[in-house]
Amino acid sequence: NAGVTQTPKFRVLKTGQSMTLLCAQDMNHEYMYWYRQDPGMGLRLIHYSVGEGTTAKGEVPDGYNVSRLKKQNFLLGLESAAPSQTSVYFCASSHRDRLNTEAFFGQGTRLTVV
Amino acid sequence: AQSVTQPDIHITVSEGASLELRCNYSYGATPYLFWYVQSPGQGLQLLLKYFSGDTLVQGIKGFEAEFKRSQSSFNLRKPSVHWSDAAEYFCAVYGQNFVFGPGTRLSVLP
Repeated sequence: NAGVTQTPKFRVLKTGQSMTLLCAQDMNHEYMYWYRQDPGMGLRLIHYSVGEGTTAKGEVPDGYNVSRLKKQNFLLGLESAAPSQTSVYFCASSHRDRLNTEAFFGQGTRLTVV
Repeated sequence: AQSVTQPDIHITVSEGASLELRCNYSYGATPYLFWYVQSPGQGLQLLLKYFSGDTLVQGIKGFEAEFKRSQSSFNLRKPSVHWSDAAEYFCAVYGQNFVFGPGTRLSVLP
């Protein structure tokens, strides 16, 4: 069972470059999320989606864009990378059913912006 | 608004000793509460969750947590810690989204 798969796992960018992180889930989940993890700050929500074609801002959306063209995929884009975006990025997905929900996580993408 | 605090940034215990990790939440409605564990370089794995009913919840790896509405707490416990439990632990509340606390890093002494 693949679950939630993130690509790439590691990336180094120069300031000003752009990139896209891909998240794919095979559990037919309606909801998908992008978090960033920084030391001492836990996981902070960047953007999320409650269904194909819909996205919404989370706690720290500035500098990021997302798209959900297919139910199983959730893309996170950095248009012009900044050193402050150096972080570990996690994608997660969950069922719409609140009573049976839990967040399933990918293995993370470690991004360094120099 | 949802929020989660974990007062302890880092805890060190000896192998075989008991463990309690603290979590306090803020949420206006009935909270859905979770504990996740993260080993170095890995994603997050669910330990246990609370939705309703019995306030003492059993999870994987011998962990349990107790929901106390009057204290807005959901503390994680384990009676005897193993060296393999060394990891980072995150408490989370689910309302509109999953909101995570800052985490508690657990070190285990041999």
